[in-house]
Amino acid sequence: QVQLQESGPGLVKPSQTLSLTCTVSGGSISSGSYYWSWIRQPAGKGLEWIGRIYTSGSTNYNPSLKSRVTISVDTSKNQFSLKLSSVTAADTAVYYCARLVGSSWYGYYFDYWGQGTLVTVSS
Amino acid sequence: DIQMTQSPSSLSASVGDRVTITCRASQSISSYLNWYQQKPGKAPKLLIYAASSLQSGVPSRFSGSGSGTDFTLTISSLQPEDFATYYCQQSYSTLPFTFGPGTKVDIK
Repeated sequence: QVQLQESGPGLVKPSQTLSLTCTVSGGSISSGSYYWSWIRQPAGKGLEWIGRIYTSGSTNYNPSLKSRVTISVDTSKNQFSLKLSSVTAADTAVYYCARLVGSSWYGYYFDYWGQGTLVTVSS
Repeated sequence: DIQMTQSPSSLSASVGDRVTITCRASQSISSYLNWYQQKPGKAPKLLIYAASSLQSGVPSRFSGSGSGTDFTLTISSLQPEDFATYYCQQSYSTLPFTFGPGTKVDIK
């Protein structure tokens, strides 16, 4: 059973960089044809896809965040990470990591999720 | 970006009711539509992928249908554990992936 766990600071100051790591257990991050994604959810609001990474290192980002986002992968540690720069209060949200599976035949969906971690942007 | 809308935004229902939630895309997305259930304080859980395929382990009272721009999630007989918020998500070829605003199902 694949499990994902987010970790990182729960409080970030405005203009600084938010950094989170997702540790994957129960399977190798490199096995299978999976992408690994970050998604966020402000309190009481809907879900926003941030970006995805393949184990080759290939990435895709949401254009709304692209200038501030970097997603990377460390296969030796079975982890992938999110960096979001120049944060403001609008970046306060629960951040989820998730496994993205699919194909051009039936599309892509998030089948395993971490429990989520709240990141608050405040001075 | 492809915009997703859901209706209703919330509904009240009783145990045993048949519940239908609608999701509409701003352009045709073929069958690239997924449904998730989210309970308070928890991560979303995948219910349906590719519009009508039931994810492993999900009860058969959940079903999905539709293609193009209009999709439906149906719960055939609402159970106490089904009270939650439901989100649709599209994965058509053009990124970004986008989610609907959610439909909250609560107890009548």
